[in-house]
Amino acid sequence: EDKVVQSPLSLVVHEGDTVTLNCSYEVTNFRSLLWYKQEKKAPTFLFMLTSSGIEKKSGRLSSILDKKELFSILNITATQTGDSAVYLCAVLISGNTPLVFGKGTRLSVIA
Amino acid sequence: ETGVTQSPTHLIKTRGQQVTLRCSSQSGHNTVSWYQQALGQGPQFIFQYYREEENGRGNFPPRFSGLQFPNYSSELNVNALELDDSALYLCASSFTGGPEAFFGQGTRLTVV
Repeated sequence: EDKVVQSPLSLVVHEGDTVTLNCSYEVTNFRSLLWYKQEKKAPTFLFMLTSSGIEKKSGRLSSILDKKELFSILNITATQTGDSAVYLCAVLISGNTPLVFGKGTRLSVIA
Repeated sequence: ETGVTQSPTHLIKTRGQQVTLRCSSQSGHNTVSWYQQALGQGPQFIFQYYREEENGRGNFPPRFSGLQFPNYSSELNVNALELDDSALYLCASSFTGGPEAFFGQGTRLTVV
């Protein structure tokens, strides 16, 4: 059975801290790994990772994939209260098949 | 704003009733997927439609059914509602072979 596991499930940090969110997976026919941010309802797309070792970066967020060890990390530096959200990791298995999601990491950033 | 719109935003139904949720996909996207997200869980795949045909289905019973229309908008129908059907229902659109980058705001369904 295809599986995506995220850790930790929840995290509370202070503004300015750096956080690392983890995502491991066991799936057949891996194609890509995606990260989403979910604040209220709609998950919003952050990154898609397909190749190992290539860091994707957007502002204070960055992510990298290790296809040998089957995991990815999402880093957020200099956290702000606006980063408070659930961060979802999902694996795309092949072209038109669905995303398999982890349970998410709930990040709370306090002032 | 992703261009994917869902209606209604909230809904309360009684156990045993039927419900229809609607989704208008991003312009140019021909594939629509539906997900159920229970509280504290990640989204779970229900089914996907491509060019008006069901193109994949998750582990959901037949009382969950759907349609896709020629303009690529979509409906999710759930019959004989159960309390456990209470969840956020998300629609995502994509173009063939592309990642599902665009989710709607979801419909929060409560079954009482």
